[in-house]
Amino acid sequence: AQSVSQHNHHVILSEAASLELGCNYSYGGTVNLFWYVQYPGQHLQLLLKYFSGDPLVKGIKGFEAEFIKSKFSFNLRKPSVQWSDTAEYFCAVTPSGGYQKVTFGTGTKLQVIP
Amino acid sequence: EPEVTQTPSHQVTQMGQEVILRCVPISNHLYFYWYRQILGQKVEFLVSFYNNEISEKSEIFDDQFSVERPDGSNFTLKIRSTKLEDSAMYFCASSGGQITTGELFFGEGSRLTVL
Repeated sequence: AQSVSQHNHHVILSEAASLELGCNYSYGGTVNLFWYVQYPGQHLQLLLKYFSGDPLVKGIKGFEAEFIKSKFSFNLRKPSVQWSDTAEYFCAVTPSGGYQKVTFGTGTKLQVIP
Repeated sequence: EPEVTQTPSHQVTQMGQEVILRCVPISNHLYFYWYRQILGQKVEFLVSFYNNEISEKSEIFDDQFSVERPDGSNFTLKIRSTKLEDSAMYFCASSGGQITTGELFFGEGSRLTVL
């Protein structure tokens, strides 16, 4: 079965600082990878996804993530965060091909200080 | 843009009572899920549903839980006899039109408070 680990539980940054949130997964085969974001009081929204092809994927709001297969990692990055990026970020993985359940990491709370 | 809708947004119930949470998935989706998030904890998989039957369920999804797609539109989660530890945000999700890519589309959640 697949699993996901997110190393940072709570990150505090000042506006304009750069962001990198770590995500590692465990699974023996090919995977689809996702980052979801949950703004305070709101539901989970897809930030970006990787299925195949270019390992550097760009998502909404200036976020990007890089899939490094050899490291089983899919870290989320943003060059310059804004106060509105304050949210919880979840990395998720599902095995490729057909239906498979999506497994979430424990989440990283990002707090951006103005 | 199509979306997953959930009702109620918040339900308060007494321990031991039955609760039904309702979801309307995106209309051409084929896979349906319930996840829950206890306050401050991670999003946990409960159950997935495809072709009118449960595809997979977690160990959390015990005999107190059941799911149903009664009318081809709604997708419900029933908790037969609620416990204090069932207090959580419950998220419905759907995925997959003709080909599923694994991307889940979530509803806004139903907050369940068990007293």
